[in-house]
Amino acid sequence: DTGVSQDPRHKITKRGQNVTFRCDPISEHNRLYWYRQTLGQGPEFLTYFQNEAQLEKSRLLSDRFSAERPKGSFSTLEIQRTEQGDSAMYLCASSFSLDTEAFFGQGTRLTVV
Amino acid sequence: GDSVTQMEGPVTLSEEACLTINCTYTATGYPSLFWYVQYPGEGLQLLLKATKADDKGSNKGFEATYRKETTSFHLEKGSVQVSDSAVYFCALSERNTGNQFYFGTGTSLTVIP
Repeated sequence: DTGVSQDPRHKITKRGQNVTFRCDPISEHNRLYWYRQTLGQGPEFLTYFQNEAQLEKSRLLSDRFSAERPKGSFSTLEIQRTEQGDSAMYLCASSFSLDTEAFFGQGTRLTVV
Repeated sequence: GDSVTQMEGPVTLSEEACLTINCTYTATGYPSLFWYVQYPGEGLQLLLKATKADDKGSNKGFEATYRKETTSFHLEKGSVQVSDSAVYFCALSERNTGNQFYFGTGTSLTVIP
């Protein structure tokens, strides 16, 4: 297993378009997290899954954002009707259980023009 | 709510200088504490962790001790190298808050030869 992988690494889209990102976690990890990171800031929590269940969503996650993890393996994060303020690095992380560290992917950098 | 406050940067040091990056936290229960490092163009990597009071995490010459009485987890290294240039993030996770990770804003370190 090569770690958490995210696809694509970079995405440029026009305002108003929909985008979808994919995350493949480390295979035995049952927890999967999505974070957003803007320049000069630390990652901000968006949502988290335990297996296929989405257990928590941040207030940062507006109704234009939706995340799924249909079979408890990979996850997708979709942003509908993108806005310039959505431009950021979207990070996925996975972990095995409580009280263990999360392993991060390299992120998808979204630029909305 | 839970939060992490870390020393603002940027920090510039000469090679072989001593490093301390301060981190304090606010938590409702008994969090696990982490330091993550982000090298240019890469994702976040776990540097070290501590899961209970008085634990010391260490890795690659870096150390941090979980101090419950001062709610701190300061990162230290006795002799920095040019290859340590990166952004360092202090983070916590806690069962009470679903084990999402709360990150500080990051401290940029540049080590000059």
